[in-house]
Amino acid sequence: GESVGLHLPTLSVQEGDNSIINCAYSNSASDYFIWYKQESGKGPQFIIDIRSNMDKRQGQRVTVLLNKTVKHLSLQIAATQPGDSAVYFCAEISGYSTLTFGKGTMLLVSP
Amino acid sequence: ETGVTQTPRHLVMGMTNKKSLKCEQHLGHNAMYWYKQSAKKPLELMFVYSLEERVENNSVPSRFSPECPNSSHLFLHLHTLQPEDSALYLCASSPGTTEKLFFGSGTQLSVL
Repeated sequence: GESVGLHLPTLSVQEGDNSIINCAYSNSASDYFIWYKQESGKGPQFIIDIRSNMDKRQGQRVTVLLNKTVKHLSLQIAATQPGDSAVYFCAEISGYSTLTFGKGTMLLVSP
Repeated sequence: ETGVTQTPRHLVMGMTNKKSLKCEQHLGHNAMYWYKQSAKKPLELMFVYSLEERVENNSVPSRFSPECPNSSHLFLHLHTLQPEDSALYLCASSPGTTEKLFFGSGTQLSVL
């Protein structure tokens, strides 16, 4: 069936580096994508979203890129900080379906 | 912080107990959800309510029984659970069922 998955289970970076977290999706009908951050002991927190009519969207220190040709989504975090350490999930919606989540990538930021 | 409050934060129960998880949202949303999060697994959707009507039930065992008395409150009634049901149970809400979700902090459930 259709699925959303992440390429890397764990990403380790140094403080100040830029981080890139990737996500592949298989449903070509997906038209809305969301990135969530989940810190230990908390629920997932919305970071940024993008619709399929866009290929890039920027927020505060974060950028989401969407490549519909290869069905790939990425989250870029600029100047990564220790507080960015968390699990990051991508999620997608197609049509009238509810959100489908990927497995998550653990981001570890060392000082 | 997110406008979705879950209680209790932690729960330990035996297999013969009956307990309930509570969720309340203060966002004026129309849809509410229960998710199960186990270690090393994706978030698993359990139930979806839209305007207090259950619209999705993903083959969840009958030992989990949801209740949505109004659009701001959602319960998950638990009875005769199994140890494999130990997980983080997350409640979420959204304006509509095809929009982004806002999550509570979850209830960490341990079944002994």
